[in-house]
Amino acid sequence: EAGVVQSPRYKIIEKKQPVAFWCNPISGHNTLYWYLQNLGQGPELLIRYENEEAVDDSQLPKDRFSAERLKGVDSTLKIQPAELGDSAVYLCASSLSSFTDTQYFGPGTRLTVL
Amino acid sequence: GQQLNQSPQSMFIQEGEDVSMNCTSSSIFNTWLWYKQDPGEGPVLLIALYKAGELTSNGRLTAQFGITRKDSFLNISASIPSDVGIYFCAGRSGGGNKLTFGTGTQLKVEL
Repeated sequence: EAGVVQSPRYKIIEKKQPVAFWCNPISGHNTLYWYLQNLGQGPELLIRYENEEAVDDSQLPKDRFSAERLKGVDSTLKIQPAELGDSAVYLCASSLSSFTDTQYFGPGTRLTVL
Repeated sequence: GQQLNQSPQSMFIQEGEDVSMNCTSSSIFNTWLWYKQDPGEGPVLLIALYKAGELTSNGRLTAQFGITRKDSFLNISASIPSDVGIYFCAGRSGGGNKLTFGTGTQLKVEL
């Protein structure tokens, strides 16, 4: 069974440029999560989707971050414009539902903003 | 956002030694989880704990859910080189599977 797929794996951009990350969860997983992981820290939840609905986006900086999961399968996280402090790893995870503990993580996208 | 406190921050041990690490919180959790993250990869779940006082093993790994529900411990017996990585604890409370992660313990094993 394929795991969570993320692309790109690495991205380097200039500040003020837009950037987008893509995630394809494990087949059949209804819940999808986007996490931010700063260097030397644990992941922090940005947004959680139940199918195509964003049910928890309280930690998403909505002035510059946006996300979508239009058909309830793959998802895109966007930053516009990017700032120096956005340099981090962006992890996507999925689970069968919100009631199961096992979240399966993708390898992440490492973003560097210059 | 909130991060749980893990200690030690890093440790360098000899192959074959036992390892202990812990995680503390100011908040109560209903579930404690331990993850391992290898370089360039996402975290992988090792052990899940659901009840205060619970002791659970997974091979050479043993974890405990603290009685106060504010802490958890992970032990690794007879460490081997592939144990190298960063270990994260995570607490879950309420619904929605929202996890609060710890700051991580980096394990380095000397051959």
